[in-house]
Amino acid sequence: EPEVTQTPSHQVTQMGQEVILRCVPISNHLYFYWYRQILGQKVEFLVSFYNNEISEKSEIFDDQFSVERPDGSNFTLKIRSTKLEDSAMYFCATSTGGLEAFFGQGTRLTVV
Amino acid sequence: ELKVEQNPLFLSMQEGKNYTIYCNYSTTSDRLYWYRQDPGKSLESLFVLLSNGAVKQEGRLMASLDTKARLSTLHITAAVHDLSATYFCAVALSIHGPGGKLIFGQGTELSVKP
Repeated sequence: EPEVTQTPSHQVTQMGQEVILRCVPISNHLYFYWYRQILGQKVEFLVSFYNNEISEKSEIFDDQFSVERPDGSNFTLKIRSTKLEDSAMYFCATSTGGLEAFFGQGTRLTVV
Repeated sequence: ELKVEQNPLFLSMQEGKNYTIYCNYSTTSDRLYWYRQDPGKSLESLFVLLSNGAVKQEGRLMASLDTKARLSTLHITAAVHDLSATYFCAVALSIHGPGGKLIFGQGTELSVKP
């Protein structure tokens, strides 16, 4: 069964460092999303991406965040200068444009 | 601003008992989802509810939607330990396009004890 693949599964980084989280969408999916979940809290929408541009972003998605699809397959989330409060599980989700989005297994980001 | 609220947030049940998780949302929506999340894992889609009065069942779980009341319920019948997990409801707005931008509830952490 096709699935959304995220790498790495766990990333530990020092405060102020840049991190790139990667997602490989299901092959025929055209809509891409990033969500985050701070430990023990709800899942929060960050950004949606379609046709090589951001469709919508939340107030969480500030100038420290960026997304791109550099090679037509991977979909990446970059955090330029990580803060302690960026520690969370980050989920990529992709969709054909239908009713459902499919979630990856997540990347646990720990900022120390 | 769309808000989604679940209750209860924590639920400890005995095996064999029935219980219901409630999900209220603040703005008209045309899609409501239920997800299950095991600790440290991703989100597993359980149900997609599209219309008023929709009811879906899978095993011991049954979900329903009342769009007029802006309420969805997830009913658990004769709970078993394997159902222990966190359950999220999530709402989508059609104006935001296809099914990916979701507003999640806080989650209900379910613990089923023997």
